[in-house]
Formats: sequence, structure tokens, C-alpha cells
Amino acid sequence: EAGVAQSPRYKIIEKRQSVAFWCNPISGHATLYWYQQILGQGPKLLIQFQNNGVVDDSQLPKDRFSAERLKGVDSTLKIQPAKLEDSAVYLCASSSLLMTGQETQYFGPGTRLLVL
Amino acid sequence: GENVEQHPSTLSVQEGDSAVIKCTYSDSASNYFPWYKQELGKRPQLIIDIRSNVGEKKDQRIAVTLNKTAKHFSLHITETQPEDSAVYFCAASIGTGTASKLTFGTGTRLQVTL
Repeated sequence: EAGVAQSPRYKIIEKRQSVAFWCNPISGHATLYWYQQILGQGPKLLIQFQNNGVVDDSQLPKDRFSAERLKGVDSTLKIQPAKLEDSAVYLCASSSLLMTGQETQYFGPGTRLLVL
Repeated sequence: GENVEQHPSTLSVQEGDSAVIKCTYSDSASNYFPWYKQELGKRPQLIIDIRSNVGEKKDQRIAVTLNKTAKHFSLHITETQPEDSAVYFCAASIGTGTASKLTFGTGTRLQVTL
């Protein structure tokens, strides 16, 4: 099966500019996650969707970050305006509910963002 | 919330030796513990996972052990090969289904030397 797709793969912007990332999950996966991975650290969850509804956005900096998954498939993550500390890899992951009740998350290749 | 600590941050072993990476978690309600391997510039990939009702799981050269009482779990790689060189992340999850949320450790950079 096709994996999680993300675009763009790389993005360089200046601080205070806006940027948007796109994610297409594995077909049939109802749950979609956006993570921020700063260099040398583990991924940190920003937001979790179940179909087109938000399950958890407690760690999303809502003053500048927004995300949507309008039709319950693709998702976009936006940063407006960007700050230097937003430089990171933004990973999208998706999962399906297993019979055991535990979801296995599959990651996309990520978008590497550099804010100058 | 959940806090996951991972040690060591870097690990260098000779080819053929074993490597052990350890993680501790804070919330006793955590019930799912996956391990991800991330090669430079690539996506994290699940290599093995363990659930709270199991103490040990093996898959060829990789094994994971879980001590619920002490709230720690470990990744064991035997007969290491150069292609095992990567950053390894442990994670812990509380809940099931839509309530599950992974908290990752800070990663261990494993270098397998010839």
C-alpha cells in the first residue's frame, strides 16, 4: 500500500512569512497526526485528527499554527507568521484502529522547514 | 502528562556486538510502547512494539523488554550490522483507539563501526 505523502519536502522562508504543509494519509486511515521534530529531539505531537474532527490540539501554538482536515482525508498545517524557532521537520502520521484497540502510526517523509 | 526519558543519547558499538537502549516513562497508565528507527533525513519507521500485558517480544535480532513495576522498557539489538546505524526513538502511549497519544523519547544515535 502507498505510504503517507507530504509536500513540500523542503521549505525556506523568512521570519514573519506564512507557510503551509500538506499531508495525504494512507488510504482508509481515519486518524491523522502532525508532529514537530526539532533537530536532535523526538517528534512532538502538535495535533491529532479523527476523520475531520480534532481529538487533541493541546500542544498546538494556536496563535500562529492552524490545521484542518476538512473532508477527513488530506490535511494542511499552516504557520502564520513564522518565527525562527519554528525551524524543524514537520512530520505527518496516520493510523488505523486495530482489533486490539491500539493504533500503529506510520510516518510520512516530513517537510524540513528553515526560517531565516 | 506523560514523560519519556531515553538513555544513552549516543551509543557506539562494534559490528557483531549487542546494543541496548533504555527508556523510562512516568505514567503507569501507559499501555503501548513502540520503537522507531530513523535514518538520516528519512521518516521514522516502526521496528518493534510491545503492549503492557507482555513482558518481552522478539523479532529476529531485535527484542524489547518491559518492566511495568519499574516503568521502564528496553530495546536490545544483537549481532549489530552497519545498517543498524540510525537514531532510535522509544515512545509510550496511554489509552486506546482515538484516545491514544504517543510521547517520544529524545532519541539514541547508534553507530555501528566495522
